[in-house]
Amino acid sequence: QLQLQESGPGLVKPSETLSLTCTVSGGSIDSSYYYWGWIRQPPGKGLEWIGSIYYSGSPYYYNPSLKSRVSISVDKAKNQFSLKLSSVTAADTAVYYCARHTGTVSTTPLNHWGRGTLVTVSS
Amino acid sequence: DIQMTQSPSTLSASVGDRVTITCRASQSISSWLAWYQQKPGQAPKLLIYKAATLESGVPSRFSGSGSGTEFTVTISSLQPDDFATYYCQQYNSYSPLTFGGGTKVEIK
Repeated sequence: QLQLQESGPGLVKPSETLSLTCTVSGGSIDSSYYYWGWIRQPPGKGLEWIGSIYYSGSPYYYNPSLKSRVSISVDKAKNQFSLKLSSVTAADTAVYYCARHTGTVSTTPLNHWGRGTLVTVSS
Repeated sequence: DIQMTQSPSTLSASVGDRVTITCRASQSISSWLAWYQQKPGQAPKLLIYKAATLESGVPSRFSGSGSGTEFTVTISSLQPDDFATYYCQQYNSYSPLTFGGGTKVEIK
């Protein structure tokens, strides 16, 4: 059964770069047609899509509101994909989820999710 | 951006009640709509996709309908396991993908 697990620092200082990794198990990230994505949820609030990437590393799509600060990449050898968010502020404090689309970004929902990891931005 | 508006934001109901949640899109999204259920401390779980298709393993008491700009998810007979927050999400446009604000279904 496909499982996704987020990992990375739980505390990041303001202005620094948030870096998270999603490790995929029970299946290969190197599989045609699947996109892999990041979504976040500030404490007590709703869900915000950050971006998604094809298993090959391209194409990728970012939320325009975060595009200038976001980078998502794939490491097929490690069966992982990663998120980097630069110049973070307290507003970036959230639970970060990695997830898999059932196919392409614009025609399929997210049907496999990691458990999420809380990242707090604070000095 | 396509804005997704859910109503109500909170819903109080009893076990056995029929419950309906509405999601409206700011422009037509055809049937590219998903519903998710989220319980406290857990990740969202996909319930329905393409507006009306039940994800494998989801109980048949859940149903979805709608197209264009107005969508609903209905729970025909609310069960104790169904008390949670529900989100709609459009995937007609990835610029950006957007979620509704959520509907919390709580015990009356």
